[in-house]
Amino acid sequence: EAGVVQSPRYKIIEKKQPVAFWCNPISGHNTLYWYLQNLGQGPELLIRYENEEAVDDSQLPKDRFSAERLKGVDSTLKIQPAELGDSAVYLCASSPWRSGELFFGEGSRLTVL
Amino acid sequence: KNEVEQSPQNLTAQEGEFITINCSYSVGISALHWLQQHPGGGIVSLFMLSSGKKKHGRLIATINIQEKHSSLHITASHPRDSAVYICAPKGGSNYKLTFGKGTLLTVNP
Repeated sequence: EAGVVQSPRYKIIEKKQPVAFWCNPISGHNTLYWYLQNLGQGPELLIRYENEEAVDDSQLPKDRFSAERLKGVDSTLKIQPAELGDSAVYLCASSPWRSGELFFGEGSRLTVL
Repeated sequence: KNEVEQSPQNLTAQEGEFITINCSYSVGISALHWLQQHPGGGIVSLFMLSSGKKKHGRLIATINIQEKHSSLHITASHPRDSAVYICAPKGGSNYKLTFGKGTLLTVNP
């Protein structure tokens, strides 16, 4: 069974440029999370989806970050424009309905120059 | 004060040693995750537990809900166990995880 797939694995951009990350969760997983992880820190929740509905986006900086999960499967996370402080690893995770189990992707490492 | 405190922050051991990583938290929880992250790699969930003890191979996780404390033990440690181990309690009434900063474990051959 395929795990959570994220792309790209690495992205280097200049500040003020846009960037997008894609996540394909495990088949059948209703819940999808986007986390941000800074070096030496634990992950921080950006947004959580139940199917196609964003049920918690309180930590998402909406001035520059946006996310969508059309059809309740794949999801994209976009940053526009990127700032130097956005350099981090962006992790996607999925979970079966009402299960506490979490399955993480490999992450997308963003470097903003 | 962080809601989740892990100790130690860094741990170096010799192959074969018994390892203990501790996690204390201040919020009420319904369950607690122990996660493993290799350098440059993704995160793998090792355990989710809400009481007592769980064992998987050489890994053992325990939790004391009353004392708000959990431990992760590794028996007969091996260099491939070298990774960051993260404790993440899950809120009592919701799905939210609070992540610790992690413990960097290095096991030398």
